[in-house]
Amino acid sequence: AQKVTQAQTEISVVEKEDVTLDCVYETRDTTYYLFWYKQPPSGELVFLIRRNSFDEQNEISGRYSWNFQKSTSSFNFTITASQVVDSAVYFCALSSQGGSEKLVFGKGTKLTVNP
Amino acid sequence: DADVTQTPRNRITKTGKRIMLECSQTKGHDRMYWYRQDPGLGLRLIYYSFDVKDINKGEISDGYSVSRQAQAKFSLSLESAIPNQTALYFCATSDRLAAYTDTQYFGPGTRLTVL
Repeated sequence: AQKVTQAQTEISVVEKEDVTLDCVYETRDTTYYLFWYKQPPSGELVFLIRRNSFDEQNEISGRYSWNFQKSTSSFNFTITASQVVDSAVYFCALSSQGGSEKLVFGKGTKLTVNP
Repeated sequence: DADVTQTPRNRITKTGKRIMLECSQTKGHDRMYWYRQDPGLGLRLIYYSFDVKDINKGEISDGYSVSRQAQAKFSLSLESAIPNQTALYFCATSDRLAAYTDTQYFGPGTRLTVL
């Protein structure tokens, strides 16, 4: 079975702090994709990144970076120099062929960045 | 214009009423999905459709039905609404790559309240 665990329910930081959101996944498939989505207070879901199981290279996009480690089944998301606009709920998700390619979501981490 | 639209955006209804939530997309994707989001539970899949003639139940399909009227339209119906169906509902779409489902893109959501 596929499972995604986001152990941090809520995180609160002060602006300009770095923050890491944890994501641990479970799957028996060798081919799978991992995703991060952002849900700001307005409610929409915004796609941030997709990573496939064969590519363990870390990714950086501006202040965002992602660390994918198959050895620990983790796909962590770091925001550097956080800003108030980063306040949102962040979801990690997993899709695998053995799961009929359906997305399985974690329960989300609510990040609050205070001025 | 948005690529994935949902109507209505907000709906209040009474127990026992039949209601329909509609989703349209202009992305040209052949795969469409309905999710519900409840606080602290992440997103859970209700139904998904890989093409017009292929509709599948998701994790929590009881009490719901769907109709894929065209490639671009996917409707979710609550036959007899009950209060625990109060939630935020999302439609999503994805394309199919050569061997895998592509990233899912979400609509803005419909907030449904059942009194």
